[in-house]
Amino acid sequence: TQLLEQSPQFLSIQEGENLTVYCNSSSVFSSLQWYRQEPGEGPVLLVTVVTGGEVKKLKRLTFQFGDARKDSSLHITAAQPGDTGLYLCAGALSFGNEKLTFGTGTRLTIIP
Amino acid sequence: ETGVTQTPRHLVMGMTNKKSLKCEQHLGHNAMYWYKQSAKKPLELMFVYNFKEQTENNSVPSRFSPECPNSSHLFLHLHTLQPEDSALYLCASSQARDSRRVAQYFGPGTRLTVL
Repeated sequence: TQLLEQSPQFLSIQEGENLTVYCNSSSVFSSLQWYRQEPGEGPVLLVTVVTGGEVKKLKRLTFQFGDARKDSSLHITAAQPGDTGLYLCAGALSFGNEKLTFGTGTRLTIIP
Repeated sequence: ETGVTQTPRHLVMGMTNKKSLKCEQHLGHNAMYWYKQSAKKPLELMFVYNFKEQTENNSVPSRFSPECPNSSHLFLHLHTLQPEDSALYLCASSQARDSRRVAQYFGPGTRLTVL
């Protein structure tokens, strides 16, 4: 089983601050997704990146896929309490492969 | 109903009980999944069904028995579980074989407690 390591594991910051979380692997992925999960709910898809070096923006969230497609980052600008949750990255090892490998997760808490 | 639904949302059962978890997807997808989410562990894939055929069994103990009668419904039958099986069980669906778009859509989960 390929492992996706996320860092940090826990992050607690004040509202308005910026933050970056990371997702790293020794494996190459054909695509990578980021999900956010709130307590008592299932993960919700935020974004899919497929091209090495790709950058996608979703309001205050910026996602980047590494050039070698082995890693990814999520940057949040001016964090808000609504950003609180468990952030999961997940990678697909080959095109059209329905099996995803999920990362270890980053639990983010934004303090008002 | 839209998206992926799961019932029940909470389940408490004894080790000798038999129960079933139900998942239904309303997205027209053709692949469905069962995952187990425990504290301090990454999401663990249990089973994958593609066009109603099981394509993945991730070394799951036989006390978990999946059933996929059609591409919209997925069940997980439980019997003689152990306390360590207590976890959040998540169902997901996706449109398999859709080139790079393998993103999965999750239900809210069933919080299972085994006494």
